[in-house]
Amino acid sequence: LAKTTQPISMDSYEGQEVNITCSHNNIATNDYITWYQQFPSQGPRFIIQGYKTKVTNEVASLFIPADRKSSTLSLPRVSLSDTAVYYCLVGDNGNDMRFGAGTRLTVKP
Amino acid sequence: DTGVSQDPRHKITKRGQNVTFRCDPISEHNRLYWYRQTLGQGPEFLTYFQNEAQLEKSRLLSDRFSAERPKGSFSTLEIQRTEQGDSAMYLCASSRQVDNSPLHFGNGTRLTVT
Repeated sequence: LAKTTQPISMDSYEGQEVNITCSHNNIATNDYITWYQQFPSQGPRFIIQGYKTKVTNEVASLFIPADRKSSTLSLPRVSLSDTAVYYCLVGDNGNDMRFGAGTRLTVKP
Repeated sequence: DTGVSQDPRHKITKRGQNVTFRCDPISEHNRLYWYRQTLGQGPEFLTYFQNEAQLEKSRLLSDRFSAERPKGSFSTLEIQRTEQGDSAMYLCASSRQVDNSPLHFGNGTRLTVT
């Protein structure tokens, strides 16, 4: 199972772009990279998933370099409601994916 | 898509009692997962079903824990002889039977063992 490493916490201000980088040096060929967001007392919520290069949806962008040993979640123009824990997971199947402690993002006014 | 539903949302029990939680996945999802989460930690994988078959259990899962998915729809997680260390949020997730299908989580059952 591929292990991931993320910063424990990050602070930002409203309106700024936030980039959270995840390291996954032993990612396997079939593994995808998936990011989840979790608010207190709620289950994690899927944000974005990718395999290589760049993926963008209405919420975020995901940048994956050619060697796939890391990935960066980019949140444009964050607001106070983006304060949450963000998890990076790698795997090719739900039962392969293991959550780490995640990155606690705090957005300040 | 009504989402993943978990019941109850909160459960307080005394040490030594048995508890059972229920999860109703998204209806067309074949895969169902149970996780446990304690304060400040990420969700910890417990077990996984594909339809009614339990395909994987965490080695960390005590044999006081048992999960079922009898008809491949809803699932139950039972904890026998609860201990204070069992206090946690128990999360259920479901996904399609397609590789890389994202997990859809419920909002969990918070268990407090006194």
